[in-house]
Amino acid sequence: QSALTQPASVSGSPGQSITISCTGTSSDVGDFDLVSWYQHYPGKAPKLMIYEVTKRPSGVSNRFSGSKSGNTASLTISGLQAEDEADYYCCSYAGRTTLLFGGGTKLTVL
Amino acid sequence: QVQLVESGGGVVQPGRSLRLSCAASRFTFSGYGMHWVRQAPGKGLEWVAVTSNDGSEKYYGDSVKGRFTISRDNSKNTLYLQMNSLRDEDTAVYYCARSGSYSWWYFDLWGRGTLVTVSS
Repeated sequence: QSALTQPASVSGSPGQSITISCTGTSSDVGDFDLVSWYQHYPGKAPKLMIYEVTKRPSGVSNRFSGSKSGNTASLTISGLQAEDEADYYCCSYAGRTTLLFGGGTKLTVL
Repeated sequence: QVQLVESGGGVVQPGRSLRLSCAASRFTFSGYGMHWVRQAPGKGLEWVAVTSNDGSEKYYGDSVKGRFTISRDNSKNTLYLQMNSLRDEDTAVYYCARSGSYSWWYFDLWGRGTLVTVSS
């Protein structure tokens, strides 16, 4: 099984919206509503931002939202803030008790 | 506060073994599935293994199957990863992570990781 495909980097200005894509296959992203997203500042513990495609944990800003269409999941961050600058990873259940991560996307706030 | 703290990382020669620990605090450890996830230098995250809340079920990623063993001691609120036959490509920061309340397949709490370097 290959890793999920994410863009290596995205950027946006404060106040703008950005979307990070996460492309898998019909055996993982396309087959299960079990995609999650994580924010990671280097050297820190990753943080859950979205789970089960669209659900937001308590305490996560409603500026973060998730969606899925076919084999591609997306994380959208609206009203971009400087503190959003971090690495973002998607993750999907891939059947047979296996999880796959994306390669990660570095978000730069200009 | 609710947290996970990994320990046991270090430098080890190829072919040798190492055991990582993850101490959980301020939550009911025995109520959650637990995972190990790793990140090689300059690379993305890679799922390593999961164990059920009582330790009766264990599943592994293909790259570590047969070499690594996940286990837990609920009386000590501690998760373990026994790593045998270590290879250069096992060099990574290893994170322990807690499963969601109703699903194994996402992580709602992470530790800060412990670095394992496999080198001769």
